[in-house]
Amino acid sequence: DAGVTQSPTHLIKTRGQQVTLRCSPKSGHDTVSWYQQALGQGPQFIFQYYEEEERQRGNFPDRFSGHQFPNYSSELNVNALLLGDSALYLCASSFEQYQETQYFGPGTRLLVL
Amino acid sequence: AQSVAQPEDQVNVAEGNPLTVKCTYSVSGNPYLFWYVQYPNRGLQFLLKYITGDNLVKGSYGFEAEFNKSQTSFHLKKPSALVSDSALYFCAVRDRGGSTLTFGKGTMLLVSP
Repeated sequence: DAGVTQSPTHLIKTRGQQVTLRCSPKSGHDTVSWYQQALGQGPQFIFQYYEEEERQRGNFPDRFSGHQFPNYSSELNVNALLLGDSALYLCASSFEQYQETQYFGPGTRLLVL
Repeated sequence: AQSVAQPEDQVNVAEGNPLTVKCTYSVSGNPYLFWYVQYPNRGLQFLLKYITGDNLVKGSYGFEAEFNKSQTSFHLKKPSALVSDSALYFCAVRDRGGSTLTFGKGTMLLVSP
């Protein structure tokens, strides 16, 4: 049973560029959440997708957007990258019906120069 | 708004000794509480959760946590620490009406041989 997978594992971009991160949820899961983990900090909630809709959003600017596909996989897009966007981006999946535990992927390490 | 406090940046313990990693929370109503562990350059691994019922929750790798409603605490414990337990530990809370996790800033556990 495959767990949550994310791609790429590492990414280097320059300020002003755009980036797309990808996530495939654990088998049987239908809900995907994205978190940003800055160095030395706990993960911060960005947004959550369920039934291809953004259901809830944290305190992040509109530069951060996402998408969920019919197969429940998801993308996180960040436009106009800032140095402060450098972080580990974590995807978590869960099964909505039972408000179950969120299981995390290995993350994508983004460095903005 | 919900919040989590992990008052210790680091906990040091000798192998074989009991360990405790502290967590207090603030949330409206009854909480869902979680502990996750993060190894270097990895995502978060689920350890255990409290939803309802017995205040002592048992989880993976011999860890357990005690829910104390009056003290709004959910401390992580293990009777006998292993060197391999050395990692970064995160406590998280979710209110029963919501679907997102709020994390503490993390506690680094160092177990010495």
